[in-house]
Amino acid sequence: EAGVAQSPRYKIIEKRQSVAFWCNPISGHATLYWYQQILGQGPKLLIQFQNNGVVDDSQLPKDRFSAERLKGVDSTLKIQPAKLEDSAVYLCASSPRLLDTQYFGPGTRLTVL
Amino acid sequence: GENVEQHPSTLSVQEGDSAVIKCTYSDSASNYFPWYKQELGKGPQLIIDIRSNVGEKKDQRIAVTLNKTAKHFSLHITETQPEDSAVYFCAPDDSSYKLIFGSGTRLLVRP
Repeated sequence: EAGVAQSPRYKIIEKRQSVAFWCNPISGHATLYWYQQILGQGPKLLIQFQNNGVVDDSQLPKDRFSAERLKGVDSTLKIQPAKLEDSAVYLCASSPRLLDTQYFGPGTRLTVL
Repeated sequence: GENVEQHPSTLSVQEGDSAVIKCTYSDSASNYFPWYKQELGKGPQLIIDIRSNVGEKKDQRIAVTLNKTAKHFSLHITETQPEDSAVYFCAPDDSSYKLIFGSGTRLLVRP
């Protein structure tokens, strides 16, 4: 069974630029999560989808971050404009259903200069 | 909201020794208590979990114990091996079923 796929693996941008990350969850998984992991800290949930609907986006900085999950499969997370403090690893995870085990992708390491 | 603390932040053990990591949480509504292992350059991987109706769970060299009254749960690794070296996170859920990750414990197993 293929795992959660993410791209790109690394991205370097300058502040005020825009960036987008892509996630392909495990086939058949209805729930998809985006986490932000700052160096030396644990992951923090940004947004959670159930199929193509948002379940929780309470910790998503909506003035600059947006996410969508069209057709209930792949998802993209966008930052516009980026700030220095957005430098982090962005992790995507999926689970078969709400409250099931979450499976993480390898992450995208973002550096904002 | 849920407040999660992990101790110790770093742990160094000799190969073959045991390692114990403790996680304390604040939300009495927590019902799910997983432990994740994260290796360099990879995403976290679930290694063991426990739910609130169980006090202990074991899977080969790994075990988790839960004390709901005291609001803490612990990860126990016996007969440690160099490949156990990684960062370990506890991530109890909160009242809205979100996982709240601790700050991590860096485990180093010396050969």
